[in-house]
Amino acid sequence: ETGVTQSPTHLIKTRGQQVTLRCSSQSGHNTVSWYQQALGQGPQFIFQYYREEENGRGNFPPRFSGLQFPNYSSELNVNALELDDSALYLCASSLDGRARDTQYFGPGTRLTVL
Amino acid sequence: GESVGLHLPTLSVQEGDNSIINCAYSNSASDYFIWYKQESGKGPQFIIDIRSNMDKRQGQRVTVLLNKTVKHLSLQIAATQPGDSAVYFCAVVAGGTSYGKLTFGQGTILTVHP
Repeated sequence: ETGVTQSPTHLIKTRGQQVTLRCSSQSGHNTVSWYQQALGQGPQFIFQYYREEENGRGNFPPRFSGLQFPNYSSELNVNALELDDSALYLCASSLDGRARDTQYFGPGTRLTVL
Repeated sequence: GESVGLHLPTLSVQEGDNSIINCAYSNSASDYFIWYKQESGKGPQFIIDIRSNMDKRQGQRVTVLLNKTVKHLSLQIAATQPGDSAVYFCAVVAGGTSYGKLTFGQGTILTVHP
């Protein structure tokens, strides 16, 4: 196990609703990255937080937003949910925000949008 | 942009055989490469990584080979075991990025028959 935890495990929402997903990073890590994994695909980078600041962002619309807290845990918020947002949402923690730090993944949150 | 692909979507082997999983990447500026294993219902698990200044790296039962000339990466698993059955992803980080944005391939399903 990596020590990265995510909650909830599963979630069902309807279109237009908002959702918040949570991630606790591995002890000693100050960086959290979020990925979206559609069924049968590889994970897609959403954004990364380093020491409470957004450190980089992928090609996701502004309705995907995040936070990182002083204890380095993180939240992913998605507003105005769409059917295509149904996916496994993964967070990964890494040591210190560097591009080549190993990223350790949590088990993911399975989001279903009806 | 970066794209990462795999030559074979599925690979079926007998227990004890050696397995080779291939990956092609498009961005010649990629300088950090990682293999992850993802079992059903779990997040990706780090296996091994390699930097662009190397062409081979070995771990326990695994070897990663990097051919920068043809932009190709492979993962070799020795004496494959049923517990190795999973989806395997390669991921790359483009050179020049200051943060760890992993670009993943689609994945190869490895099935090991006892």
